[in-house]
Amino acid sequence: KNEVEQSPQNLTAQEGEFITINCSYSVGISALHWLQQHPGGGIVSLFMLSSGKKKHGRLIATINIQEKHSSLHITASHPRDSAVYICAGGGADGLTFGKGTHLIIQP
Amino acid sequence: KAGVTQTPRYLIKTRGQQVTLSCSPISGHRSVSWYQQTPGQGLQFLFEYFSETQRNKGNFPGRFSGRQFSNSRSEMNVSTLELGDSALYLCASSRRGGLVGQNTEAFFGQGTRLTVV
Repeated sequence: KNEVEQSPQNLTAQEGEFITINCSYSVGISALHWLQQHPGGGIVSLFMLSSGKKKHGRLIATINIQEKHSSLHITASHPRDSAVYICAGGGADGLTFGKGTHLIIQP
Repeated sequence: KAGVTQTPRYLIKTRGQQVTLSCSPISGHRSVSWYQQTPGQGLQFLFEYFSETQRNKGNFPGRFSGRQFSNSRSEMNVSTLELGDSALYLCASSRRGGLVGQNTEAFFGQGTRLTVV
């Protein structure tokens, strides 16, 4: 059974700070997804990674396949970045989700 | 391009009833997967359909079932509802033919919030 562990569970930061959310995953997961969920429930796919690094605007996602670890970084954080960030591993069991990081960016 | 559409958005049902939820994928996407999200268990994979065939299933009882139609629209059904079935049910569609999440990005709908009373 695939497993995904995410940390921290909760994170409060000031506007402008650099944010890092970490994710570790088990053998059997071949791709790692970072998702964003706002109040109301809808989920937006931010990145899908199987190697290296991806960047979109102020968001950067990295993955280390040997260590089975991925990070999501937010540069120059803004209150509109406040949301739940979820990492999910794709494998033969479908998508396996971490418990999410509840991020609050204070002005 | 329209996103993934789930209907209804909210639903209240009584214990013992059954419910059917609908998901219309993004045009051209042939894979649809379903997920349950609860405060206690978080997000959990229910099942995935591709070309009208269920090709992967999570660890849920047989009361949870689904199907996919030839136009890729999908429905999931929960029979004999229990209080614990109260959850946000999300579906996602993917363009490519591989198992969802392995080599293809998943695009999620807004979800259906089911309350069982």
